[in-house]
Amino acid sequence: KNEVEQSPQNLTAQEGEFITINCSYSVGISALHWLQQHPGGGIVSLFMLSSGKKKHGRLIATINIQEKHSSLHITASHPRDSAVYICAPYTGNQFYFGTGTSLTVIP
Amino acid sequence: GAVVSQHPSWVICKSGTSVKIECRSLDFQATTMFWYRQFPKQSLMLMATSNEGSKATYEQGVEKDKFLINHASLTLSTLTVTSAHPEDSSFYICSATGLAGALEQYFGPGTRLTVT
Repeated sequence: KNEVEQSPQNLTAQEGEFITINCSYSVGISALHWLQQHPGGGIVSLFMLSSGKKKHGRLIATINIQEKHSSLHITASHPRDSAVYICAPYTGNQFYFGTGTSLTVIP
Repeated sequence: GAVVSQHPSWVICKSGTSVKIECRSLDFQATTMFWYRQFPKQSLMLMATSNEGSKATYEQGVEKDKFLINHASLTLSTLTVTSAHPEDSSFYICSATGLAGALEQYFGPGTRLTVT
């Protein structure tokens, strides 16, 4: 049983498109991270949120604690957004990781 | 923002040898560091959690005698893969939490280990 489900697994978009990546989880959490992993492997934490919505530039993350669901949105997508995006709920003791959504943005 | 570095970024070693990977928090004190491994096309798997000055807590199935973790200071944790085998070839990533809040996690850039 997977504690974290992400969809879609793979996503190809044209530059400029609005993108949504969804994450559903089954564990009780203190917070949830959205991570970005580029082809070289390095990981960056994009957001940490425990309620509501956060926005950084073209990225928006939302979370509904009651429904155990979070979404990551990218507005005006760009080829440099191409990466794997990983949802990582945090229970207070440990992280759970989704298998990631591989995003390719075509110019 | 807070920076975590790893060294080396990649390493090739022969079967049977040991290799040490360093994880450093550059501009903050990390009370807790986490070590993960990632196989191709898979997500991160937590190997162990280390707190400064105490023994690491290993996840089920991770051999503590094979993957030695030392967290000797608030800015450095090391992972030593002993008697390396080709199946230990993987991408190893560390992350760290600071004194201010355990919910903030800062990830290192990762170390790619290839055992020949």
